[in-house]
Amino acid sequence: NAGVMQNPRHLVRRRGQEARLRCSPMKGHSHVYWYRQLPEEGLKFMVYLQKENIIDESGMPKERFSAEFPKEGPSILRIQQVVRGDSAAYFCASSPMDEQFFGPGTRLTVL
Amino acid sequence: SQELEQSPQSLIVQEGKNLTINCTSSKTLYGLYWYKQKYGEGLIFLMMLQKGGEEKSHEKITAKLDEKKQQSSLHITASQPSHAGIYLCGADMMYSGGGADGLTFGKGTHLIIQP
Repeated sequence: NAGVMQNPRHLVRRRGQEARLRCSPMKGHSHVYWYRQLPEEGLKFMVYLQKENIIDESGMPKERFSAEFPKEGPSILRIQQVVRGDSAAYFCASSPMDEQFFGPGTRLTVL
Repeated sequence: SQELEQSPQSLIVQEGKNLTINCTSSKTLYGLYWYKQKYGEGLIFLMMLQKGGEEKSHEKITAKLDEKKQQSSLHITASQPSHAGIYLCGADMMYSGGGADGLTFGKGTHLIIQP
């Protein structure tokens, strides 16, 4: 059983471009969570999704950020018109019910 | 203020010595998770505690959740270089009854093992 997969592992974007981060949960896991880790702030929850539903997006910035977890395929975290402050490590976790298992993360750098 | 306080912030321990990391909240925790992160990498799941007074062990690592479910400790016995890294506690601070919610994390404890 492969672990949580994230790609790309590293992503470089210029200001104003779009960033798409992908997360494939572990087999059998129907819950997906996205977190962002900034050097000075630690790991912060962004959004919790189940298949085709957003359960809790209380940690998502109000603008430019969106997430989906379609019936087929990976979960996508989309950041439009990136700014330098979006540079961070973005982690996805998946869960069958309670335990959350994390992927290796995508490190986004905005130039 | 930080909802989940971790202490110490950093810890340097001689190889072979025991150590303890603490995680404290002013609110009841509905699930307490311990993870280890190596610099620049993802989080490795260590243990999850849910019941007051619960204790779990894996190899040389033991985690406990107090009866009030507001404080947890992670204890490493006879530390080894492989234990070095950042230890993070995460907590489910909402009761929703339908699986884990998004976790709130402490700022982490940087553990260095001196040979």
